[in-house]
Amino acid sequence: EVQLQESGPGLVKPSQSLSLTCSVTGYSITSNYWGWIRKFPGNKMEWMGYISYSGSTSYNPSLKSRISITRDTSKNQFFLQLNSVTTEDTATYYCARYGSSFDYWGQGVMVTVSS
Amino acid sequence: DIVMTQAPLSVSVTPGESASISCRSSKSLLHSNGITYVYWYLQKPGKSPQLLIYRMSNLASGVPDRFSGSGSETDFTLKISRVEAEDVGIYYCGQLLENPYTFGAGTKLELK
Repeated sequence: EVQLQESGPGLVKPSQSLSLTCSVTGYSITSNYWGWIRKFPGNKMEWMGYISYSGSTSYNPSLKSRISITRDTSKNQFFLQLNSVTTEDTATYYCARYGSSFDYWGQGVMVTVSS
Repeated sequence: DIVMTQAPLSVSVTPGESASISCRSSKSLLHSNGITYVYWYLQKPGKSPQLLIYRMSNLASGVPDRFSGSGSETDFTLKISRVEAEDVGIYYCGQLLENPYTFGAGTKLELK
């Protein structure tokens, strides 16, 4: 069974970088696409970007200057880095597999940006 | 960006009755390959979103057949027949036609 698990700090200071890890079990990240999606307080959902089976990436243009998604295939993990965060980046962050859709999701990690 | 507009934003349903949620896209989601790239998700309280319907009308694995999706190029409907207590949560439509992938604002389904 495909399982995804996010991990990372729950509190980040403004202007710093947010770094999260998604650990995948039951499926290789060298197949399919693997993405990050966040849900803001108030229920708005935003797709942030993905990394493909080959390592290529695609990002939401609204984040393009601040976001980086990378991976470690030896650990079957992929990563999110979001730079220069503000309070508007406070959200629950999910990693997900993109097969025919976002068909498997992690449980989510709540990240608060606050001094 | 493609804007996904859902209606209503909240719905209260008597168990055993049906419910419908609408979603409209600002651009046709019908690709030249014949696939319509609209999806439906449910986020139950305290849980991650789960895929219900993919490519407009295909039921995701493990999803009860009480759920169905239909529509045209820009207007889509999720129908839930015989609503049960486990159907409570927030329903989202989303499009995967083009970057950036976008979601509707969500429809909260509650029981009467």
